Amino acid sequence: KNQVEQSPQSLIILEGKNCTLQCNYTVSPFSNLRWYKQDTGRGPVSLTIMTFSENTKSNGRYTATLDADTKQSSLHITASQLSDSASYICVVSGDNTGTASKLTFGTGTRLQVTL
Amino acid sequence: GAGVSQTPSNKVTEKGKYVELRCDPISGHTALYWYRQSLGQGPEFLIYFQGTGAADDSGLPNDRFFAVRPEGSVSTLKIQRTERGDSAVYLCASSLGPGYEQFFGPGTRLTVL
Repeated sequence: KNQVEQSPQSLIILEGKNCTLQCNYTVSPFSNLRWYKQDTGRGPVSLTIMTFSENTKSNGRYTATLDADTKQSSLHITASQLSDSASYICVVSGDNTGTASKLTFGTGTRLQVTL
Repeated sequence: GAGVSQTPSNKVTEKGKYVELRCDPISGHTALYWYRQSLGQGPEFLIYFQGTGAADDSGLPNDRFFAVRPEGSVSTLKIQRTERGDSAVYLCASSLGPGYEQFFGPGTRLTVL
């Protein structure tokens, strides 16, 4: 069964600090991996997308890494801000042919940035 | 429109009632998806439309759930004989086509009393 596991489940950090969120997946075949940010009461918004051949991708203060061999990904947030408080969801796509567009979602890491 | 919109934002209903949830995708997006997100969980796939047809409805939990997209744009998710376990946030997403990035709406929070 395709699964995406994330850790930690929740995290509290001080404003200005860095943090790293982890994602392990068992989805096969693998097409791409996305990290989404979901603010409370809102839909998820894509931060980064990586395919099999990419091992790092940055979007401002967000940097995602991918190790396709170990099936692990991380999302590193630099110099955190209060607005980074949200759930971060790792999503893996196993098929990009157009015939099956289901994504496997992780349960997310709930990040709280405090003063 | 500028983004995916969903109405209503909140819906409270009684057990056994019928509800309809509406999704307006981004203009020009041919693919539309419905997901269900329970508290503290990631979204779970329900159904995917390509144009007017349901290309994949394998995520619908049972026959109380049904969705339509008659003109290939707006979609309605219909839930009959609601149960308390149906309480969740129902997310809609759209994309240019299958395999393209999905853009999510804000969701409809359904509460079944």
